[in-house]
Amino acid sequence: DAGVTQSPTHLIKTRGQQVTLRCSPKSGHDTVSWYQQALGQGPQFIFQYYEEEERQRGNFPDRFSGHQFPNYSSELNVNALLLGDSALYLCASSLAGGSGGTDTQYFGPGTRLTVL
Amino acid sequence: AQSVTQPDIHITVSEGASLELRCNYSYGATPYLFWYVQSPGQGLQLLLKYFSGDTLVQGIKGFEAEFKRSQSSFNLRKPSVHWSDAAEYFCAVGTLSNDYKLSFGAGTTVTVRA
Repeated sequence: DAGVTQSPTHLIKTRGQQVTLRCSPKSGHDTVSWYQQALGQGPQFIFQYYEEEERQRGNFPDRFSGHQFPNYSSELNVNALLLGDSALYLCASSLAGGSGGTDTQYFGPGTRLTVL
Repeated sequence: AQSVTQPDIHITVSEGASLELRCNYSYGATPYLFWYVQSPGQGLQLLLKYFSGDTLVQGIKGFEAEFKRSQSSFNLRKPSVHWSDAAEYFCAVGTLSNDYKLSFGAGTTVTVRA
């Protein structure tokens, strides 16, 4: 049973460029969340996608956008990269429950983005 | 808004000794609580979770955690650590409704000495 997969593993970009990160959820999961983990910090919630729509968003600028496909995989796009966007980007998948609250999230290995 | 505090930035423990990592949360209602472990350069692995019921939760790798509502705590314990337990540990909180995100603490780095 494949877990959450992310690509690429590492990425180096320069300021002002755009980047796309990809995530495939764990088999049977329908919800994808994205987190940013700066060095030495805990992960910070960016947004969550469910039924191909952004269901909740954290405190991140509009430069951060996403998409979810019919097969539940997801992309995170970041435009106009800043040095401060350098971080480990984590994707987490879950199975949406009926309670409307937080479901158990399973994380992928992450994509290490370096902005020069 | 919920918040999570992990008071200990770094803990060093001898192999075979017991380990306890502290986690305090701030939230108006009963939260969902999680502990994750992260090895260097890796993603997060779920150790255990608490949603309801028995306040002592067993997880993988011999870890357990106890939810104490009166103290707003969810401390992680292991009776005897192994060198492979050296990693960073994150406590996270979720909610019962209308909020789908996990809020994480800043993490505790565990070093295991021989």
